[in-house]
Amino acid sequence: SYELTQPPSVSVSPGQTARITCSGDALPKQYAYWYQQKPGQAPVLVIYKDSERPSGIPERFSGSSSGTTVTLTISGVQAEDEADYYCQSADSSGTYEVFGGGTKLTVL
Amino acid sequence: QVQLQESGPGLVKPSQTLSLTCTVSGGSISSGSYYWSWIRQPAGKGLEWIGRIYTSGSTNYNPSLKSRVTISVDTSKNQFSLKLSSVTAADTAVYYCARGGCGGDCPLDYWGQGTLVTVSS
Repeated sequence: SYELTQPPSVSVSPGQTARITCSGDALPKQYAYWYQQKPGQAPVLVIYKDSERPSGIPERFSGSSSGTTVTLTISGVQAEDEADYYCQSADSSGTYEVFGGGTKLTVL
Repeated sequence: QVQLQESGPGLVKPSQTLSLTCTVSGGSISSGSYYWSWIRQPAGKGLEWIGRIYTSGSTNYNPSLKSRVTISVDTSKNQFSLKLSSVTAADTAVYYCARGGCGGDCPLDYWGQGTLVTVSS
């Protein structure tokens, strides 16, 4: 079955830039979405269609795509950005959705 | 503002069927071209997409769960439901309902708060 691969953890200091990658063979064909999840809360959409930002999401969150890898970038990381981040996309035929394993962002 | 709320038993016995309902408020479940999904998350683990339904009743399921999952919709009640049969302890998780999940073209943009289902005798 189709899989999306994320690094388990990323650590950055406040004010630095965090980059979280997500790799999958169908990503050149399918959009990717990014969700932020804090402990005990439901996930929140932070990026849709590779690079679009929903209303209410800070400008420091951005997304990009290159080949089989998509990247979530958080510029000027703040303590409140510490959370788990998940990428999500679909298989090449669009039959089912898939989540990456998640990346724990630690703000040092 | 669309809101979703999961409901159902918090404890299910092994081999039985898990049944959950998601009630949608703030808009009609049948208005617009939306899909409605179920997602689950075991404690300390990642998100797993279970399946989706369109308001027409068309469904798609995670291949790894397909043999045990049924998702249905009741537009008169503005609800959609999940049934997962032959459950084991591995099905213990927080279950979320969400709007979206349409094969790569739309986000899961509204989520319920989640409901914990424990499989135990």
